[in-house]
Amino acid sequence: DAGVIQSPRHEVTEMGQEVTLRCKPISGHNSLFWYRQTMMRGLELLIYFNNNVPIDDSGMPEDRFSAKMPNASFSTLKIQPSEPRDSAVYFCASSLEAGASYEQYFGPGTRLTVT
Amino acid sequence: AQSVSQHNHHVILSEAASLELGCNYSYGGTVNLFWYVQYPGQHLQLLLKYFSGDPLVKGIKGFEAEFIKSKFSFNLRKPSVQWSDTAEYFCAVIPGDYKLSFGAGTTVTVRA
Repeated sequence: DAGVIQSPRHEVTEMGQEVTLRCKPISGHNSLFWYRQTMMRGLELLIYFNNNVPIDDSGMPEDRFSAKMPNASFSTLKIQPSEPRDSAVYFCASSLEAGASYEQYFGPGTRLTVT
Repeated sequence: AQSVSQHNHHVILSEAASLELGCNYSYGGTVNLFWYVQYPGQHLQLLLKYFSGDPLVKGIKGFEAEFIKSKFSFNLRKPSVQWSDTAEYFCAVIPGDYKLSFGAGTTVTVRA
């Protein structure tokens, strides 16, 4: 089992540029989560998909952020335009099913630096 | 506001010392509880979890945690730490549905 795969692992971009982060969940998992980790705010849930459908996007900071899950094996988180305050580590996680009893497995994260 | 609180921001201890990290939550009702560890430069890994049953939960790498419902606590313990336990530890709670709420994390530094 390859686990949750994220790419790129590191991204450095200039303010105003579009950034796309990618995630491949564990095969067979129906739920996918995007988190952001910063020193100031810790780990925050941005958005949650179940069966490729966005269920809860209340954590998405603003309209510059968008996420898609076109199929069960791929999701993207896009920031357009990016700003320095978006610098953080972005984690993707997946779980077998939705619900509190199912463990979330985290990917290695993408460290984003916006200059 | 509902939250997860970790009492210590940074803990420094020597090898073979005992470790206890505090975690309290403020959610009412049924909760599922987790401890995650993040080693330097690595992703979050699950140490242990509590859903129901025996409130003393044993996890990987010699860690255990005790759920005390009356105190809304889920403290993490390890009797004898090793240098390789240097990491950041996160307590997390799912209060009923799916949304993991994380504590701020505790950085543990183990000196050889």
